[in-house]
Order: sequence, then structure tokens, then C-alpha cells
Amino acid sequence: AIQMTQSPSSLSASVGDRVTITCRASQGIRNELGWYQQKPGKAPKLLIYAASSLQSGVPSRFSGSGSGTDFTLTISSLQPEDFATYYCLQDYNYPRTFGQGTKVEIK
Amino acid sequence: EVQLVESGGGLVQPGGSLRLSCAASGFTFSSFWMIWVRQAPGRGLEWVANIKRDGSLKYYVDSVKGRFTISRDNAKNSLYLQMDSLRVEDTALYYCTRDQSYSDSSGYYDAFDIWGQGTMVTVSS
Repeated sequence: AIQMTQSPSSLSASVGDRVTITCRASQGIRNELGWYQQKPGKAPKLLIYAASSLQSGVPSRFSGSGSGTDFTLTISSLQPEDFATYYCLQDYNYPRTFGQGTKVEIK
Repeated sequence: EVQLVESGGGLVQPGGSLRLSCAASGFTFSSFWMIWVRQAPGRGLEWVANIKRDGSLKYYVDSVKGRFTISRDNAKNSLYLQMDSLRVEDTALYYCTRDQSYSDSSGYYDAFDIWGQGTMVTVSS
């Protein structure tokens, strides 16, 4: 199975900060990667698919980039509602695999 | 309203069985691949299995192969997960989710756009 490694595992940031989360695949996955946000006690929410395509209704401060093995989720200006855990998910092959998650906390 | 509602979770002893259900509403269920994702308490997300629109293709994570069976009934707008030979490590909140599955000239992309609220499975003696 493809291993997805996110970094950092957690970070502290302030409202207005630019935040970057990275996800590395153990082998090339082209651009077949999505990003999900999960708040405590809630189901995950799709943010990005195909590495860089913004899901309908998701604020434009979220963006994704990358191809091959290295990917990035960027929040351009962190808002109070963005404090959550973020997961990448590869859909290049089966089984699909998630990264371990990155928790974004308030500084 | 587009909605997924899971049910069937509970407490079961190791080696036991459970059948989870996911009722879909507000969309054409038969047009979408469907997926089960689980999350152990305090842990991350784990993709468990998926099933093609007509039920003809199914994929599983290695840890559940031979023990879990995903199925669907498009006439009833329902997704199922039959879980046999349950282990302590199967303890988790189980979500069903819909794959919007976007495509472009390069291929197809998973996009799990609708999620249920989850149903808790606890495997313990």
C-alpha cells in the first residue's frame, strides 16, 4: 500500500497566518490526491480533489498544489473556523490511504 | 436534502459479527461509487472499502479482506458493510461516504463529497 506522510503532525498558528501542510507519497501518484478537513465530533469535509481543484463551496483561501510524490495544502489567511485536523488521501491505487493528519491549533 | 445516515453499530465480542447500513436520500444513489471509512477513537481516518455503482466491483483494505463484505441495494438506496470475525482493532466510528468522482483528460479523481454522521462499532469482551 502507498504510504502517505504528512508534516507537521500539528502546528500552532494565529488568525491571519499563512499555513502550509505537506503530504508525501511513498511512490508517485500523479495528481491523484485529495485534502479533507475534520473538526472534532464531525465528519470529514472535502476541500480539494485532483491535488489542486477546489471543491464547490470551499473558500478560495484554501489551495492545493503538487504532483508525483510531494503535495501541499495552503491556507492563505487562517480564519477561526479553520482550526481543525487536515488529511490527505491518495486515490492513485487501491487500497486508498490517508495521511496521519495535521492538527491546526490556535496559537 | 442530500443525506447519508448510518446505523447498525454497537458493542460486540471479538469474533462476532455486525451489519452496518447506510441509507441515502436526496440524490440518485445508483449513480455513485460508495465508500466506508473508519476512525478509531482518537486516531486518523482509514479507508475501508468501496463499491461500484452497480455493485460489480469492490475493493478492500488488506486488514479487512476476507472478514468484511461491502454491498449495496440500489432499489433501497442503501449501502451495507457486513463485518465478521471482528477484532478489537476494528473498534471505530464507521462513516459511509459518496464519491462524486470528477474526471478530466488525465483520468478520474475520488472526491468524497457527502458523509454520514457515523456509527460506532465497539469490539470488546
